[in-house]
Amino acid sequence: GESVGLHLPTLSVQEGDNSIINCAYSNSASDYFIWYKQESGKGPQFIIDIRSNMDKRQGQRVTVLLNKTVKHLSLQIAATQPGDSAVYFCAEESGSQGNLIFGKGTKLSVKP
Amino acid sequence: DTAVSQTPKYLVTQMGNDKSIKCEQNLGHDTMYWYKQDSKKFLKIMFSYNNKELIINETVPNRFSPKSPDKAHLNLHINSLELGDSAVYFCASSQVWGTGELFFGEGSRLTVL
Repeated sequence: GESVGLHLPTLSVQEGDNSIINCAYSNSASDYFIWYKQESGKGPQFIIDIRSNMDKRQGQRVTVLLNKTVKHLSLQIAATQPGDSAVYFCAEESGSQGNLIFGKGTKLSVKP
Repeated sequence: DTAVSQTPKYLVTQMGNDKSIKCEQNLGHDTMYWYKQDSKKFLKIMFSYNNKELIINETVPNRFSPKSPDKAHLNLHINSLELGDSAVYFCASSQVWGTGELFFGEGSRLTVL
């Protein structure tokens, strides 16, 4: 079956550096992509989304890039802070499904 | 004010028992969901309800049954619990069905002994 996956299961960065979390998807029909952050002991929290008619979207300290040619999604976090330590999930949705499919998650650790 | 609240947060029970997890959202959203997160953090949708109608019923055992008394509540009932049911169960809601911006509860950790 088709699924969303991640290149790196763990990522360790120094405080203040930029972080890049990558995600590969295989469903070419997916037209909506979302990044979620899950802190320890909590539920996932929406960070940023992007639709397939865009290739870049920026939020506060976060940027999502979408490359439909290679079916790749990335989340960039600028000036990473200790509070950014969490597991990050990408998720995809096909308009015909209305069903959000989550990737496996990348654990981001920020070293002070 | 918690937007999506679920109880209990922790649940330890014996194999074969029947248990329920409750969920309530005060966001006025139309759709609610149940997700299961396994030990490897993989999140998989189990059910979603829109206006009290089941929209998606993934291939979960029929021992699991969602029940929605009203739009603000979606409870999860599990019969004849098995060891493999041990996981964290998350309730979520969204304003409309088909949007990716889900609001999740804090999770309910179920341990089956």
